[in-house]
Amino acid sequence: DAKTTQPNSMESNEEEPVHLPCNHSTISGTDYIHWYRQLPSQGPEYVIHGLTSNVNNRMASLAIAEDRKSSTLILHRATLRDAAVYYCILRAYNAGNMLTFGGGTRLMVKP
Amino acid sequence: DTGVSQDPRHKITKRGQNVTFRCDPISEHNRLYWYRQTLGQGPEFLTYFQNEAQLEKSRLLSDRFSAERPKGSFSTLEIQRTEQGDSAMYLCASSLVPKETQYFGPGTRLLVL
Repeated sequence: DAKTTQPNSMESNEEEPVHLPCNHSTISGTDYIHWYRQLPSQGPEYVIHGLTSNVNNRMASLAIAEDRKSSTLILHRATLRDAAVYYCILRAYNAGNMLTFGGGTRLMVKP
Repeated sequence: DTGVSQDPRHKITKRGQNVTFRCDPISEHNRLYWYRQTLGQGPEFLTYFQNEAQLEKSRLLSDRFSAERPKGSFSTLEIQRTEQGDSAMYLCASSLVPKETQYFGPGTRLLVL
């Protein structure tokens, strides 16, 4: 799997938007961009995924650069419950199905 | 949909003992995965099943680790002759082919003394 680079940690204020960046300069044409998050003392939780176009769901938005070498996970209004480690993962379509997690970004939300 | 469950949630054992963990996936999910997570790191893939077939096991950490899914439903992960370095969180996830999303359980935290 191609490598991703994320900041180790970020801080946000409650009720403000949060933009979590991910660089993936070696992404290939068949790699999907997945985001999972892991709240304290829990297993990871799926957030969102996309290929080329921006994606929205009830949890977040995913903005993908035109050249696909980077992407940004957007939480529109951070809450204290969004404090977690956020992982950006590349997965080739139908390729073995394992997820290769990096170190992720630890998001801290201040009240 | 009751989610993925794992049992036990915590296990303390002495070095050299064998341990077995159980994972119950979301019903009708045909793929089941095992990961290990050490403190401060992201989860590390170990193995996965499609129905009862184990399709990838080269990532199991040593021959002390083995996994089964005998009837294509629940799975067990066994560690024989545990070592202190086996102390970690063991996570199970399941998915329904062809959907890509994996649903994780709460994990089993193992401490080897």
